[in-house]
Amino acid sequence: DTGVSQDPRHKITKRGQNVTFRCDPISEHNRLYWYRQTLGQGPEFLTYFQNEAQLEKSRLLSDRFSAERPKGSFSTLEIQRTEQGDSAMYLCASSLGDFRYNEQFFGPGTRLTVL
Amino acid sequence: AQKVTQAQTEISVVEKEDVTLDCVYETRDTTYYLFWYKQPPSGELVFLIRRNSFDEQNEISGRYSWNFQKSTSSFNFTITASQVVDSAVYFCALTGTIQGAQKLVFGQGTRLTINP
Repeated sequence: DTGVSQDPRHKITKRGQNVTFRCDPISEHNRLYWYRQTLGQGPEFLTYFQNEAQLEKSRLLSDRFSAERPKGSFSTLEIQRTEQGDSAMYLCASSLGDFRYNEQFFGPGTRLTVL
Repeated sequence: AQKVTQAQTEISVVEKEDVTLDCVYETRDTTYYLFWYKQPPSGELVFLIRRNSFDEQNEISGRYSWNFQKSTSSFNFTITASQVVDSAVYFCALTGTIQGAQKLVFGQGTRLTINP
């Protein structure tokens, strides 16, 4: 039984470049979440998908951020025109859609450094 | 609005000591869920426990125990006979509704260091 996987684990980019991260959730989970964690802080919610539908976005998710989950399987998070303030750990989590089993399981994260 | 407060930023104890991590939450929802996660130096968040707002029974799992008190809006976590491998950042989190996103609201975390 594989857990949540994320790729790449680390990304260093120059300001102004576009980056894309991938998340593969646990196979039977229909909910997928993206969070951002900066140093010394707890993760903050960015967006979530129920199957392929993106149902909620945080105000933290500016117009430069876009997320997709085609076919309700893996998800991608793209950041356009990166800024130094985008440097953070980007975490993906998945869960079942049933509130009785709503614990979220996290992937190892993608650490983004914007120079 | 929902909020989770972990007032202890860092705790350092000697191995085999007992240690309690505090968590206080705020929510207007009548049904909600509380969680604890562990983040070791490797960085991956590891799920430890989930608690429903309508179930105030305390829980014990090996050296870990959790004390949920609705009257004080607290969900504290105790490690008995701590070990060096328990060193990590621990996060308390809340999700406040059975509908919608059930997104997690995290506290700022408590960095626990167990010294040999």
